[in-house]
Amino acid sequence: ETGVTQSPTHLIKTRGQQVTLRCSSQSGHNTVSWYQQALGQGPQFIFQYYREEENGRGNFPPRFSGLQFPNYSSELNVNALELDDSALYLCASSLGGLRGRNQPQHFGDGTRLSIL
Amino acid sequence: DAKTTQPNSMESNEEEPVHLPCNHSTISGTDYIHWYRQLPSQGPEYVIHGLTSNVNNRMASLAIAEDRKSSTLILHRATLRDAAVYYCILRDVRRAYSGAGSYQLTFGKGTKLSVIP
Repeated sequence: ETGVTQSPTHLIKTRGQQVTLRCSSQSGHNTVSWYQQALGQGPQFIFQYYREEENGRGNFPPRFSGLQFPNYSSELNVNALELDDSALYLCASSLGGLRGRNQPQHFGDGTRLSIL
Repeated sequence: DAKTTQPNSMESNEEEPVHLPCNHSTISGTDYIHWYRQLPSQGPEYVIHGLTSNVNNRMASLAIAEDRKSSTLILHRATLRDAAVYYCILRDVRRAYSGAGSYQLTFGKGTKLSVIP
């Protein structure tokens, strides 16, 4: 069973730029959730994609957007990068719908994004 | 989701049992108690979850108070590899019946567990 993989592992950008982060979900999972983790804090929910549609969003501005593809992999896009966007971005896959109720989320090891 | 309260940090000696507490006084009847942990430089990993009865798996045990206002994650024999941040999270199972997607996890700051050789 292949786990959740994220790319790239590290990235450095400057303010105002745009970035795309990628996530491959675990085999058999149809739901991908994205989280932002600032240093010393717990992860904060950004949004979730289920069967290629956004299915819930946390308190993040519209410049955070995403996609999910037919193979259930996903992208997180952030426009107009700000210094406060520096964080670890985590992707988690899971089985959605009734079959997946109470099933755990499986996390990748994240992308460390630094904004200069 | 109801809130949880955990100590900021705990220490344990290697090969001794560890009891990690979590208070959730506003828990509702449909809230499951989930535990995840995050090792250094890794994403969180699922540890265990339960509703009312105590639960055991290969990683840990979960002891839930009779009134469900608190719970304790038990590592029976701490190893250096157990040094991590442990998160106690409540999850309302009713959200799973919305028919779409999966639940989101609401993380606090967790408990940083240090294991002393």
